[in-house]
Amino acid sequence: QKEVEQDPGPLSVPEGAIVSLNCTYSNSAFQYFMWYRQYSRKGPELLMYTYSSGNKEDGRFTAQVDKSSKYISLFIRDSQPSDSATYLCAMSPIQGAQKLVFGQGTRLTINP
Amino acid sequence: DAGVIQSPRHEVTEMGQEVTLRCKPISGHDYLFWYRQTMMRGLELLIYFNNNVPIDDSGMPEDRFSAKMPNASFSTLKIQPSEPRDSAVYFCASSLDPQGDTQYFGPGTRLTVL
Repeated sequence: QKEVEQDPGPLSVPEGAIVSLNCTYSNSAFQYFMWYRQYSRKGPELLMYTYSSGNKEDGRFTAQVDKSSKYISLFIRDSQPSDSATYLCAMSPIQGAQKLVFGQGTRLTINP
Repeated sequence: DAGVIQSPRHEVTEMGQEVTLRCKPISGHDYLFWYRQTMMRGLELLIYFNNNVPIDDSGMPEDRFSAKMPNASFSTLKIQPSEPRDSAVYFCASSLDPQGDTQYFGPGTRLTVL
């Protein structure tokens, strides 16, 4: 079993829809949770970063962490075609960017 | 800043040949990471360096893979001999020490071994 599980999709939704992306994990030591966005033929770039449980909002994006369930989510409101990308969750047991464990990534397409 | 620079962007080689991938991290970043991305396995950490010293190479798949960082502005990942199953996109990333909370990725090198 992988430490981090993420449904690879693909996921296709109409423009304006609310998108929910999710990851589950097995290592209870994970404290830091990140979402990276990767456009086609590009490197991943950090989108959201949260520590421990709770919610964090940034514009149309909300990251949610439920440590009791070992479950994290990324919500995208008012989705736009420019949000079409692969979204990867990543986790670490310690502060700092060392040795992240990534999910497999979910490929998302927003249809105009 | 130019960001993380990787070369070449594409590499096609034949099985058994030596392959060298190159990376220039963001100036001032103390950590450098090498990842491999495939459809089947996703993004996997191969090795990372701190201040040019290899810290964790547990992700290096086998002895055919080696990585060096001779100075703060340059790193190489070498595969010798290459095999078709090494075909993947290889990313280099760098980050600040010690409180950096993000890794900055390069554009990747797409390797095809025939």
